[in-house]
Amino acid sequence: EAAVTQSPRNKVTVTGGNVTLSCRQTNSHNYMYWYRQDTGHGLRLIHYSYGAGNLQIGDVPDGYKATRTTQEDFFLLLELASPSQTSLYFCASSVGGGNYAEQFFGPGTRLTVL
Amino acid sequence: QQKVQQSPESLIVPEGGMASLNCTFSDRNSQYFWWYRQHSGEGPKALMSIFSNGDKKEGRFTAHLNKASLYVSLHIKDSQPSDSALYFCAVGLSGSFNKLTFGAGTRLAVCP
Repeated sequence: EAAVTQSPRNKVTVTGGNVTLSCRQTNSHNYMYWYRQDTGHGLRLIHYSYGAGNLQIGDVPDGYKATRTTQEDFFLLLELASPSQTSLYFCASSVGGGNYAEQFFGPGTRLTVL
Repeated sequence: QQKVQQSPESLIVPEGGMASLNCTFSDRNSQYFWWYRQHSGEGPKALMSIFSNGDKKEGRFTAHLNKASLYVSLHIKDSQPSDSALYFCAVGLSGSFNKLTFGAGTRLAVCP
């Protein structure tokens, strides 16, 4: 089964702080995604990528940057964190980008912005 | 913009009972439909997909799709306590790479 890992698992920062969330997948999947999960909203796509150096904008990108440095690694950057970004963040990967391809999710990072 | 709505928000069924989860979507160009399940403290995991109208059965799980009615459902037969989880409906449009739109989820509790 596809393996997706995330770090850190929990993070607390203050308003205006810088945060980097990391994701690694070891199954040579082309596509990687960052989602946030909030009660009442389900999962919302922040950014996604279909390969190293590529970045595509998702549905809720404001306040977030992302970078795909290698096939395996995808990072989410919050440069001026705000309390509205307190959420549970998931990284996912899939072998293809069509919506026929199963997405494999990591265990999540819980971020609290005070 | 695609709207995906799930009902009910929460559901309690007895062990061995049938759980029925509903999902409606707004865009008639929707082509791909997934059900994901998330146990507490874990990431979501794909349960099953359905791309054609009608029923698709995988073990105790049956998905039903009616694109004309903008409706997809999931039925869990002989529910087990291990089925207690948050269930998401996710919908994708046809064409080139498109993003899945997730519903807000239905929380299922199966009571022994």
